[in-house]
Amino acid sequence: GAGVSQSPRYKVTKRGQDVALRCDPISGHVSLYWYRQALGQGPEFLTYFNYEAQQDKSGLPNDRFSAERPEGSISTLTIQRTEQRDSAMYRCASSNTGGPYEQYFGPGTRLTVT
Amino acid sequence: AQKVTQAQTEISVVEKEDVTLDCVYETRDTTYYLFWYKQPPSGELVFLIRRNSFDEQNEISGRYSWNFQKSTSSFNFTITASQVVDSAVYFCAAPCTGGGNKLTFGTGTQLKVEL
Repeated sequence: GAGVSQSPRYKVTKRGQDVALRCDPISGHVSLYWYRQALGQGPEFLTYFNYEAQQDKSGLPNDRFSAERPEGSISTLTIQRTEQRDSAMYRCASSNTGGPYEQYFGPGTRLTVT
Repeated sequence: AQKVTQAQTEISVVEKEDVTLDCVYETRDTTYYLFWYKQPPSGELVFLIRRNSFDEQNEISGRYSWNFQKSTSSFNFTITASQVVDSAVYFCAAPCTGGGNKLTFGTGTQLKVEL
């Protein structure tokens, strides 16, 4: 596609439910990143992939959070047993190499846990 | 990780004024990269520029210019003749030291351009 797409754009869920957030990167981009952005703050790194390999998951807050990119393209970020503190904008980005090249961000998924 | 500081939380200017957004970074790397992103009211994050630390020349792109000063660890962003459409939150970012390509973002500067 022309840009990074994410779905759903908005997700409201009840505390304790699992959610899956999807990211479709720019076609051909090797690297895919997940960030979380709280209101009034900059994005904070969660995890990233080169192709299908998860290179770094040091930013995942706890073991309720996981991510995968099984075929090296689309990625899913899963949050199990959601809590209210998980409410945030979840952003996906991709870049066309594994080096420090510019990351292009998707529109984000606004997650609200009630 | 790198530390990126944007001390200006909010700036208000009148249209056609010039405005400079400050960014100060901390790094132990000898070569590194710096980035600026724009987040307009619609919410998306738009890439503006990537800068290599070993490139001495400053960048100009239309009304936008960036001043990189290695000696003061600053990478400031100037908008000349600001317009209402420039109203947005601007983020400065840098890759984490030894951490692959994950970016550390500053807290952002909210720019409001009024008529």
